[in-house]
Amino acid sequence: SQQGEEDPQALSIQEGENATMNCSYKTSINNLQWYRQNSGRGLVHLILIRSNEREKHSGRLRVTLDTSKKSSSLLITASRAADTASYFCALYSSASKIIFGSGTRLSIRP
Amino acid sequence: GAGVSQTPSNKVTEKGKYVELRCDPISGHTALYWYRQSLGQGPEFLIYFQGTGAADDSGLPNDRFFAVRPEGSVSTLKIQRTERGDSAVYLCASSLTSQYEQYFGPGTRLTVT
Repeated sequence: SQQGEEDPQALSIQEGENATMNCSYKTSINNLQWYRQNSGRGLVHLILIRSNEREKHSGRLRVTLDTSKKSSSLLITASRAADTASYFCALYSSASKIIFGSGTRLSIRP
Repeated sequence: GAGVSQTPSNKVTEKGKYVELRCDPISGHTALYWYRQSLGQGPEFLIYFQGTGAADDSGLPNDRFFAVRPEGSVSTLKIQRTERGDSAVYLCASSLTSQYEQYFGPGTRLTVT
């Protein structure tokens, strides 16, 4: 299976701290994307990293990709209450099928 | 511009009934995806359209599920003889083409009683 496995399943941190979430997978990918989902709402695209890239930044977000280890991480720096959400990695292989991970539920404590 | 819209937002139906869920993608997006999401889980891929054709329907759980996109824009997901296990949020997403970022609609919450 090329399903993404995310860890931790849940993460609770203090506002202002950094949050790191990881995604591991089992097969080759063309690119990997991270999405955020606030409770009861649709998913919002955060960042895309291609298989030939190792690191990308977008504002307070930093994504790394290690294709040799088949893993990616999402770092959110200087967390805010509004960052409370579920975060999913999505695997895009050469096939058209897209596989989402099970998600990390992030809670930011004020 | 307008985002992806889905109707209805909520649908309650009785076991055994037929339902249709509609998705209006962003204008100009050729790729359209349907997913199903259960509580506490990530979206589960159902079907992908590139234009009018279903490029990958390997995620449809069985032959009770069918989807169409006759003019390459609006798509309808059809579920026959609904079962309680079909209860979930059905998400639609569109993208400029495959492998690009997806824009998700708010979803249709289907409850089968």
